[in-house]
Amino acid sequence: AQSVAQPEDQVNVAEGNPLTVKCTYSVSGNPYLFWYVQYPNRGLQFLLKYITGDNLVKGSYGFEAEFNKSQTSFHLKKPSALVSDSALYFCAVSLDSNYQLIWGAGTKLIIKP
Amino acid sequence: EAQVTQNPRYLITVTGKKLTVTCSQNMNHEYMSWYRQDPGLGLRQIYYSMNVEVTDKGDVPEGYKVSRKEKRNFPLILESPSPNQTSLYFCASSLDSHRSYEQYFGPGTRLTVT
Repeated sequence: AQSVAQPEDQVNVAEGNPLTVKCTYSVSGNPYLFWYVQYPNRGLQFLLKYITGDNLVKGSYGFEAEFNKSQTSFHLKKPSALVSDSALYFCAVSLDSNYQLIWGAGTKLIIKP
Repeated sequence: EAQVTQNPRYLITVTGKKLTVTCSQNMNHEYMSWYRQDPGLGLRQIYYSMNVEVTDKGDVPEGYKVSRKEKRNFPLILESPSPNQTSLYFCASSLDSHRSYEQYFGPGTRLTVT
């Protein structure tokens, strides 16, 4: 079955430290990969996507993600975390065969001052 | 301002009482979708629409109906709500149905069915 996994329900990072939110996928064909962020009481916002080309993708708010085909991963990273980065992060993959997205369960990121 | 709007934002209702959650986008997007978000399950797609008068089932369509009579509007209808439909609902749109396009989300509707 095709799936997206976010193995950590919660990630805790001190402000100023680098952060990583993990995402792995299991799909057939060529995946298009997305990261979205959800702040409290808000809808989801698009952060970045990988379609093709450079494996390192840069997005909004200083975030970046690296596509690793051999490890089927698309981890979200930021060199220096801010308290305002605290939110719920979702990884999603779009398949070759249809227009739907498969979503991960989400990872709660907590940045402590 | 480019946006997706949903109404109402919060709704408490009783089992069996028909309700409609409206969704509207002002970006001339072709693709629209409804999701429900439940703790630990991420987002699950209910229905989607690739254009006016074109709708299709997502992963969890049971108990829901949609229509797309105009490009900008995509209402979600619960004919006979049940407690298991208590959830947080999001409407989303994207420029095109091609899988490379990111989606824009509304603020969400928190529905409680008692």
